[in-house]
Amino acid sequence: DQQVKQNSPSLSVQEGRISILNCDYTNSMFDYFLWYKKYPAEGPTFLISISSIKDKNEDGRFTVFLNKSAKHLSLHIVPSQPGDSAVYFCAASGIGGNTPLVFGKGTRLSVIA
Amino acid sequence: EPEVTQTPSHQVTQMGQEVILRCVPISNHLYFYWYRQILGQKVEFLVSFYNNEISEKSEIFDDQFSVERPDGSNFTLKIRSTKLEDSAMYFCASKGTVTYNEQFFGPGTRLTVL
Repeated sequence: DQQVKQNSPSLSVQEGRISILNCDYTNSMFDYFLWYKKYPAEGPTFLISISSIKDKNEDGRFTVFLNKSAKHLSLHIVPSQPGDSAVYFCAASGIGGNTPLVFGKGTRLSVIA
Repeated sequence: EPEVTQTPSHQVTQMGQEVILRCVPISNHLYFYWYRQILGQKVEFLVSFYNNEISEKSEIFDDQFSVERPDGSNFTLKIRSTKLEDSAMYFCASKGTVTYNEQFFGPGTRLTVL
């Protein structure tokens, strides 16, 4: 069962434009959402997160939007840079301090110069 | 910047052999995790560990798997009798406090079972 879904396996964007990566979830008990970036042969690197009590969180070029009623979140990268090319994972966790992360399958972003 | 480290980076073993994967979490972190990623699939939770005991484990984490924090720095995952389907990237992660959910991952160990 896919509790966290990233329906786009890949995305290509021109350098300088906006990249929008989408994520849907089914479990209404999730209350914290995270985005990780992963390069080949490396571990996932934490990017940005958002609590379910917020609808937006911004950190430099990265913004995460959460629509709880639609069970949907998105990561916006503006402007996109070639170094952003990687696989991006959406992850969610439930209430409680030590709950595990549930990951989506990832979206491979290619930023073309 | 503190980081999670893992050794070895690549482990090749014969089916039925025991392997131990090692991790050094970030030094002041209290919560520890193992995840795995089979090639082409998503990252899956195996086990979480806090206060010297398992907090939660997934269906994958059967009797063949065990975890240990043998000293103040290392966190290990042991697979007693490896199977072909255990071939995957294994990631260790750690988290500092109960308040924040950000987990920080190591670079992974690629386990190949022949």
